[in-house]
Amino acid sequence: DAKTTQPTSMDCAEGRAANLPCNHSTISGNEYVYWYRQIHSQGPQYIIHGLKNNETNEMASLIITEDRKSSTLILPHATLRDTAVYYCIVRVDQGAQKLVFGQGTRLTINP
Amino acid sequence: GAVVSQHPSRVICKSGTSVKIECRSLDFQATTMFWYRQFPKKSLMLMATSNEGSKATYEQGVEKDKFLINHASLTLSTLTVTSAHPEDSSFYICSARDSSGFSYEQYFGPGTRLTVT
Repeated sequence: DAKTTQPTSMDCAEGRAANLPCNHSTISGNEYVYWYRQIHSQGPQYIIHGLKNNETNEMASLIITEDRKSSTLILPHATLRDTAVYYCIVRVDQGAQKLVFGQGTRLTINP
Repeated sequence: GAVVSQHPSRVICKSGTSVKIECRSLDFQATTMFWYRQFPKKSLMLMATSNEGSKATYEQGVEKDKFLINHASLTLSTLTVTSAHPEDSSFYICSARDSSGFSYEQYFGPGTRLTVT
């Protein structure tokens, strides 16, 4: 699976949009971009995933560049409960593919 | 979304004893489950892939005789930490893949915090 690079930490003010970048310059054509987050002392929570088109759901939006070498997760109106470690993972969607977690971005939402 | 439970949520045991952690998929069947461990302020590290009805596949460096995995049904996988030592103290997390449809999504349990004294 392709490797991802994320900033170690970020801060964002409550109510503002939080934009979390991820670089995956070695991504293959059949690899999807997945985002998970982990709130302290809990299991990871799925947020969103995409292949090449931008995606939106009730939690977030995912913007993937045209060359697919990077992506941005957008939390449109961050709340204090969005404070967590956010993981960007790329993997092929077939079979029982395992998820390999990098170090992620520790996002802190400030009041 | 789909629900995965873990039991116990916390366990404290003495060095040399064995501890069993259960991972259950509550509203779906899972032919494949995954076990992770996580040290404080570190990322999740995959330990093994658990396959229903067959032997687990362990990641490099994970001792299969120390971390026994059993996946006897489509909704239950267990991880037994044998002869636990203080360095085995960690947060253990499982995930399960819904095998009934076309989704390859994985759903995570809430984790089990193991403390070995």
